[in-house]
Amino acid sequence: LAKTTQPISMDSYEGQEVNITCSHNNIATNDYITWYQQFPSQGPRFIIQGYKTKVTNEVASLFIPADRKSSTLSLPRVSLSDTAVYYCLVGDSFNAGNMLTFGGGTRLMVKP
Amino acid sequence: EAGVAQSPRYKIIEKRQSVAFWCNPISGHATLYWYQQILGQGPKLLIQFQNNGVVDDSQLPKDRFSAERLKGVDSTLKIQPAKLEDSAVYLCASSLSPTSGRDEQFFGPGTRLTVL
Repeated sequence: LAKTTQPISMDSYEGQEVNITCSHNNIATNDYITWYQQFPSQGPRFIIQGYKTKVTNEVASLFIPADRKSSTLSLPRVSLSDTAVYYCLVGDSFNAGNMLTFGGGTRLMVKP
Repeated sequence: EAGVAQSPRYKIIEKRQSVAFWCNPISGHATLYWYQQILGQGPKLLIQFQNNGVVDDSQLPKDRFSAERLKGVDSTLKIQPAKLEDSAVYLCASSLSPTSGRDEQFFGPGTRLTVL
């Protein structure tokens, strides 16, 4: 089972780039890496997903090295509204027994 | 497009009582998930349905928890009897693709359960 490890918390300032790394040493061949954002009293919200190399969308980039044992979520020019908990999720929802595992999450605090 | 609906939003019960949560996924989404999120922790998958079949329920405490998705649409999660450690937010999510892990889960607002 792919277990993930993330920093518990990070601080940043408005306008800076934030990089959050997730370690997943036991990632399986069919597993994808997905990042979610969660605000208090809300369900998680999808940010980005990837399998290898680099993925970019309008809000973030995801960097995955060749061995896929870690991944880095990059948030460009954060604002106060990016203060949230960020979860790294590794899994393949199609295969029974390959559980979708959320990490402990990284609590990002963006300061003015 | 309507999101994932859950009810109730809040529930307070005493230990050993029973409770049920309801989830209505996004229309057309084949896969439905129930998660338990204890305060300060990440969500833990309890059960995953694909249409009305169970894909994974390995972390569901089957002696007290049960879930069903009879017509492959909405779902009910039940706890009977509840314990103090069941106090948590119960999140329902759905996703479109029935055949791949590379799809996005859409989460509902959750039901906050307090067991006294």
